Amino acid sequence: QKEVEQDPGPLSVPEGAIVSLNCTYSNSAFQYFMWYRQYSRKGPELLMYTYSSGNKEDGRFTAQVDKSSKYISLFIRDSQPSDSATYLCAMAPSGFQKLVFGTGTRLLVSP
Amino acid sequence: NAGVTQTPKFRILKIGQSMTLQCTQDMNHNYMYWYRQDPGMGLKLIYYSVGAGITDKGEVPNGYNVSRSTTEDFPLRLELAAPSQTSVYFCASSLGLNMNTEAFFGQGTRLTVV
Repeated sequence: QKEVEQDPGPLSVPEGAIVSLNCTYSNSAFQYFMWYRQYSRKGPELLMYTYSSGNKEDGRFTAQVDKSSKYISLFIRDSQPSDSATYLCAMAPSGFQKLVFGTGTRLLVSP
Repeated sequence: NAGVTQTPKFRILKIGQSMTLQCTQDMNHNYMYWYRQDPGMGLKLIYYSVGAGITDKGEVPNGYNVSRSTTEDFPLRLELAAPSQTSVYFCASSLGLNMNTEAFFGQGTRLTVV
């Protein structure tokens, strides 16, 4: 069993839809949770960072962490074609050297 | 404002050849990392460095070597290339190891070993 599970997709939605991306994990020591966005043939870029449980909102993006269920989510409101990318979840107990990435979910937003 | 720069962008190697993947950052970050990304596998940490002269193994270090002689540069060396090393390699840097700081990634090097 992988430490972090993420559906690879692709997930196809029309422009303006609400998108829900999810990851599950097995290591209860994880405290730091991140979402990265990766455009085709580019490096990942940090989108959202959350410490421990709870919600965090930044513009059209909301990150949720439910440590009791070992489940994290990223919601994208009013999705745009420019949101088409692969979204990677990542988490760690402490420190970047312990960061574990999910496999990524490919999102396609059609105009 | 270059950030993290990786060269080359693409490379084809024959089995047994060696090469060095270059990584340089201009943000004066002490911490640098090398990852490989394979389809369906997520990013895996190969090596990391906490400063000039100090490196440590990550999750998948076999077949690779690193050095860190300056703050800016963190090259990754493949000595005897194998098909299993076909992957996309990303270099990253951060101001600190703690998760409150952001890691910045380069654009990657696509390596094929044939």
